[in-house]
Amino acid sequence: EAGVAQSPRYKIIEKRQSVAFWCNPISGHATLYWYQQILGQGPKLLIQFQNNGVVDDSQLPKDRFSAERLKGVDSTLKIQPAKLEDSAVYLCASSLRTRGETQYFGPGTRLLVL
Amino acid sequence: GESVGLHLPTLSVQEGDNSIINCAYSNSASDYFIWYKQESGKGPQFIIDIRSNMDKRQGQRVTVLLNKTVKHLSLQIAATQPGDSAVYFCAEKASSYKLIFGSGTRLLVRP
Repeated sequence: EAGVAQSPRYKIIEKRQSVAFWCNPISGHATLYWYQQILGQGPKLLIQFQNNGVVDDSQLPKDRFSAERLKGVDSTLKIQPAKLEDSAVYLCASSLRTRGETQYFGPGTRLLVL
Repeated sequence: GESVGLHLPTLSVQEGDNSIINCAYSNSASDYFIWYKQESGKGPQFIIDIRSNMDKRQGQRVTVLLNKTVKHLSLQIAATQPGDSAVYFCAEKASSYKLIFGSGTRLLVRP
């Protein structure tokens, strides 16, 4: 079974630029998550989708971050404009259902904002 | 609460010894717990999970113990191998769907 795919793996941008990340979850997984992981910390949930609907985006900085999952499969996370403090690893995860299910993580996109 | 800083707690063990990684969780209403392993440059990898109606669960070379009285979770790794070197995170879930991750422990295995 293929795992969660993410691209790009690495991205370096200057502050105030825009960036987008892509995620393809495990086939058949209805729930998709985006996490931000700052160096030395555990992942922090940014947004959760159930199929193509948003379940929770309470931790998403909506003035600069946006995410979509239009067809209930792939998802994109965008940052516009980026700030220095956005430097982190952005992890995508998926699970079969919403509650009490194991989340499987992709390799992440490492973002450096200069 | 939120973890801070770049200096993860580190556990150094000799290859072949048993490792015990501890985690204190915050929410007494949490009913599901997971341990993840994260190697450098990779995403977290599921190791083992446990529900609050259990106090022990065993997998291959790993055991998770749950003490709800003191809100404590531990991961035991038997016969630790160099490939076990990684950062280990515990995560808890309360009645909502959201997983809350701890700050992590770095395991170093000495050859």
